[in-house]
Formats: sequence, structure tokens, C-alpha cells
Amino acid sequence: AIRMTQSPSSFSASTGDRVTITCRASQGISSYLAWYQQKPGKAPKLLIYAASTLQSGVPSRFSGSGSGTDFTLTISCLQSEDFATYYCQQYYSYPRTFGQGTKLEIK
Amino acid sequence: EVQLVESGGGLVKPGGSLRLSCAASGFTFSSYSMNWVRQAPGKGLEWVSSISSSSSYIYYADSVKGRFTISRDNAKNSLYLQMNSLRAEDTAVYYCARTSGYWGQGTLVTVSS
Repeated sequence: AIRMTQSPSSFSASTGDRVTITCRASQGISSYLAWYQQKPGKAPKLLIYAASTLQSGVPSRFSGSGSGTDFTLTISCLQSEDFATYYCQQYYSYPRTFGQGTKLEIK
Repeated sequence: EVQLVESGGGLVKPGGSLRLSCAASGFTFSSYSMNWVRQAPGKGLEWVSSISSSSSYIYYADSVKGRFTISRDNAKNSLYLQMNSLRAEDTAVYYCARTSGYWGQGTLVTVSS
């Protein structure tokens, strides 16, 4: 199984900050990488697919990059509604695997 | 509007069985692969199983292989997960998810004596 490792696992930031979350795959997955946002008690919401394609309706302050084994999710200017947990997921092969999550908290 | 509504969760004893359902609407169900993903309390997301649009291809996580069975009825726009030999570690919210990012609200399965 492909292992997905996110960093950091958690961190604190302030509204207006630019933040970057990293996801590393244990083997190459081309661009078959998605990013999800999850808030407490809610289902995950797809933000980005194919590593860098913004899902319809997602604010443009979210962006993704990378291919192969190294990927990043960037939020250019944090808003209050962005404090949540973020997950990467590979869909290059089965079993599908998620990163362990990155919890973004208010400083 | 795409909607996925799970049902069938509840409290079950270890070794018991449960069948989850997911009712889909707002899209051509028969054209999409479907998935089950779970989340144990306070934990991350774990992919459970996937089924192709015509049920030709089915995949399971090792943790549920041999105990869970995914199926679908395209005529009824429904996805199912038959869960047998349930264990405490299967306790989680189970989400139905369509390929391309739509998820249901989840249904809670609690395995406890």
C-alpha cells in the first residue's frame, strides 16, 4: 500500500497568514492526489483534485501543487472558516490511502 | 443537486452484522464508481471499499476483506455495505462517497457489548 505522510500534524496560524501543508507519498503517484477539508462533525469536502485542480466553488486562496511523491496545499490568506483538518488522499492505486491529517488551529 | 444519504448504522455486538445503505440522487448513479470511507472517533479517514459503475471491479481494505461486502443496485440508485463479524475497531462513522468528491453525511456504527 502507498503510504501518505502529511506534515505538520498540527499547527497554529492567524487569520491572514499564508500556510502550506505538505503531503509525501511513499512511491510515485503521478498527479493522482486530492486534498480534503474537514470540520468537526461534518463530512470531508473536496478542495483540490489531480494535485492542482480547484474543485468548483472552492475559493481561489486554496491552491495545490506537486507531482510524483511530493505535494503541497497552500492557503494564501487564511480566513476564519479555514480552521479545520486537512487530508491528502492518493487515488493512483488500491488501496486508496489518506494522510493522517493536518489540524489547523487559530493562534 | 447531488445527494448521498446513508442509513443503517447503529449499535451492534461484537461478531454481529449490519447492512449500510446509501441512497443517491441528483446524478446518473450508474455512471460513477462509488466508495465507502470510515472515520473512527477522533481519528483520521480510512478508505474501506470501492465498486465500479457496473460492479465489475471491487476493492477492499485489508482490514475488512473477507468480512465486508460492497454492492450496488443501479436500478434503485443505491449503494450497500454488508458488514459481518464486526469488531470493536470497526466502530466509526461510515461515509458513502462518489468518485469526484461528493460525500454523504455519514452513519455511525458502534460495535460494543
